[in-house]
Amino acid sequence: DQQVKQNSPSLSVQEGRISILNCDYTNSMFDYFLWYKKYPAEGPTFLISISSIKDKNEDGRFTVFLNKSAKHLSLHIVPSQPGDSAVYFCAAKGNSGGSNYKLTFGKGTLLTVNP
Amino acid sequence: NAGVTQTPKFQVLKTGQSMTLQCAQDMNHNSMYWYRQDPGMGLRLIYYSASEGTTDKGEVPNGYNVSRLNKREFSLRLESAAPSQTSVYFCASSIEGNYGYTFGSGTRLTVV
Repeated sequence: DQQVKQNSPSLSVQEGRISILNCDYTNSMFDYFLWYKKYPAEGPTFLISISSIKDKNEDGRFTVFLNKSAKHLSLHIVPSQPGDSAVYFCAAKGNSGGSNYKLTFGKGTLLTVNP
Repeated sequence: NAGVTQTPKFQVLKTGQSMTLQCAQDMNHNSMYWYRQDPGMGLRLIYYSASEGTTDKGEVPNGYNVSRLNKREFSLRLESAAPSQTSVYFCASSIEGNYGYTFGSGTRLTVV
């Protein structure tokens, strides 16, 4: 059973416009959420995170929104740049006994930003 | 500062051969992880080690074994490689609490 879902395998946007990447989760024990970016032939790199006690976290062009009641989070990139073209993974961490450090990842969304 | 180092970067094995993927981190992290990435499947946890001396199974442990050699090193062993184990393998490490992982650059393994 997939606990973290990224239902859009790919997204294409124009340079300068907003990119919105979505992620849904099913496990109510998740209390910390992260986004990772991955370029081809490289390992994933941490982008931004949010705790379940917040509904928004902003870092420069990147903002993550969390809607706990809907079990939904989104990553907004404004303005989008060609260098943002990568696979974006949503990840979640649960605070349940000994599992408060394991990350569960979604399948990823390939973002392409066209010049 | 190297972060997480994985060796080798590429490997081709014949079905039935064995090999060990090496991972080392220099950030004094307690926890280490092995993931595999397959097209359309995202990152799936194979094994993890919460701290030196402990290891546990993740989502897809079958066909693999691990060794947490010391705090720095966490190796993944394929005893008898199968074509289904063709994948990109990522090692990662973290400290406890609400922090993310630091990933290595991956090992691309092909089993023919």
